[in-house]
Amino acid sequence: GENVEQHPSTLSVQEGDSAVIKCTYSDSASNYFPWYKQELGKGPQLIIDIRSNVGEKKDQRIAVTLNKTAKHFSLHITETQPEDSAVYFCAALTGNQFYFGTGTSLTVIP
Amino acid sequence: DAGVIQSPRHEVTEMGQEVTLRCKPISGHNSLFWYRQTMMRGLELLIYFNNNVPIDDSGMPEDRFSAKMPNASFSTLKIQPSEPRDSAVYFCASSYNAGTGELFFGEGSRLTVL
Repeated sequence: GENVEQHPSTLSVQEGDSAVIKCTYSDSASNYFPWYKQELGKGPQLIIDIRSNVGEKKDQRIAVTLNKTAKHFSLHITETQPEDSAVYFCAALTGNQFYFGTGTSLTVIP
Repeated sequence: DAGVIQSPRHEVTEMGQEVTLRCKPISGHNSLFWYRQTMMRGLELLIYFNNNVPIDDSGMPEDRFSAKMPNASFSTLKIQPSEPRDSAVYFCASSYNAGTGELFFGEGSRLTVL
């Protein structure tokens, strides 16, 4: 089955700096890659996604890039703010199943 | 839309008791998923339904776990009897159509089994 690896597991950045989280996947049949933000005590919230026919997608301060050849995708957050502090999960959709990374705990230091 | 609604948000019970978690998916969504989240294992898929029919229950830990979806707007996850190792946050999620993406999660049910 699919295997999704996510790095780093923890990340601290100064407010205003950029944060990058990377994921790799193993199954070339995976065709949809969402990113979720989970705040303490809440459910994961979809923040951005990308499909396999696109290389990059941007939504205000967040962007996702996909390299199908290398089987990796990344989340980029620019001009980080304290409210960006949360756990971020990547995922890959293969067939009807989502495979999740192990999460990155992002802390934005004011 | 109100999103995926789960109840209860918190449940504390004693070992051996029956636990029932409930989920109302987003209206119009045909696929429903139950996940379990722990620090050790992250997000694990337990079971998913498509058009109220269980499609893949290979993630259900053992016979103590069962899930039903009697109609398009309601699903339950039952644990009987519960054990301390079942303590986790259980999430329900729904999608317009499994395989097309955009999975939406509920706020979760935090279960503590003493």
